[in-house]
Amino acid sequence: AQKITQTQPGMFVQEKEAVTLDCTYDTSDPSYGLFWYKQPSSGEMIFLIYQGSYDQQNATEGRYSLNFQKARKSANLVISASQLGDSAMYFCAMRGQLRQGAQKLVFGQGTRLTINP
Amino acid sequence: GAVVSQHPSRVICKSGTSVKIECRSLDFQATTMFWYRQFPKQSLMLMATSNEGSKATYEQGVEKDKFLINHASLTLSTLTVTSAHPEDSSFYICSARSMRETQYFGPGTRLLVL
Repeated sequence: AQKITQTQPGMFVQEKEAVTLDCTYDTSDPSYGLFWYKQPSSGEMIFLIYQGSYDQQNATEGRYSLNFQKARKSANLVISASQLGDSAMYFCAMRGQLRQGAQKLVFGQGTRLTINP
Repeated sequence: GAVVSQHPSRVICKSGTSVKIECRSLDFQATTMFWYRQFPKQSLMLMATSNEGSKATYEQGVEKDKFLINHASLTLSTLTVTSAHPEDSSFYICSARSMRETQYFGPGTRLLVL
C-alpha cells in the first residue's frame, strides 16, 4: 500500500524567507510520481510541481523546487523567497505505477503554511 | 495549466433531495476523472475513479448507490448525491487526468444539506 506522510501540521515563516515543507512516502512500486498541490482558503487545489521516480534531476517550477531523495523516500517542497500569497494548505501526493492502473493519488495530511509580513 | 470547472460551486438543499455536481475539463480530454471528498481541516479522500464510457470504480466504504457517477464524455463527469442527508455535507472536488498524467482539480463544490 502507498502512504504519504507530512509531519508538519503548521508552519510559520517570515516573508521573503525560504521554506521547506516535508514529505515522506512509502511504496513498493518501482515507478511512481510525486506531486505537490496548494490549497488556498477558497478550496481549489492548485498543481505546483511533479517529480517522476526515474527523473534524474530534481523538479523546479519558478520559486518551487522539489528536493527528491529517493533513498530516503522523501520529496520535500522548497519555496524560495516566500510571499504573503503563499499562505495556504500544501498537500503532497503520490501516484503509483500507471500500467497497473494505479492512477489514483494518495494524499498526505497537509501542512498549513502561514507567511508573516 | 489545464482548466477544470465544477458546477455548482455551492449548493444548499433539503434533506432527502438529490444533488448533481458537474465536472468539466475545458481544454483537454480526460479519459479518467476522480471524485474526492474533503472534510474541514482534513485531507482529500478519494471516493471514486470515473472512466469515460464505463462504470466508475468506487473506493472501499463509498456507497455506489448513494453517490452516482456518470462519465458520459471525455470532458464531463457528474456526481449525483442521492437522497442527501446532513452527514453528506462536505466539500466535493473533482480532478481530471491529463495526457501528461498530472491531475488538475476543479474549484470544488460546497454542499450543505439541511
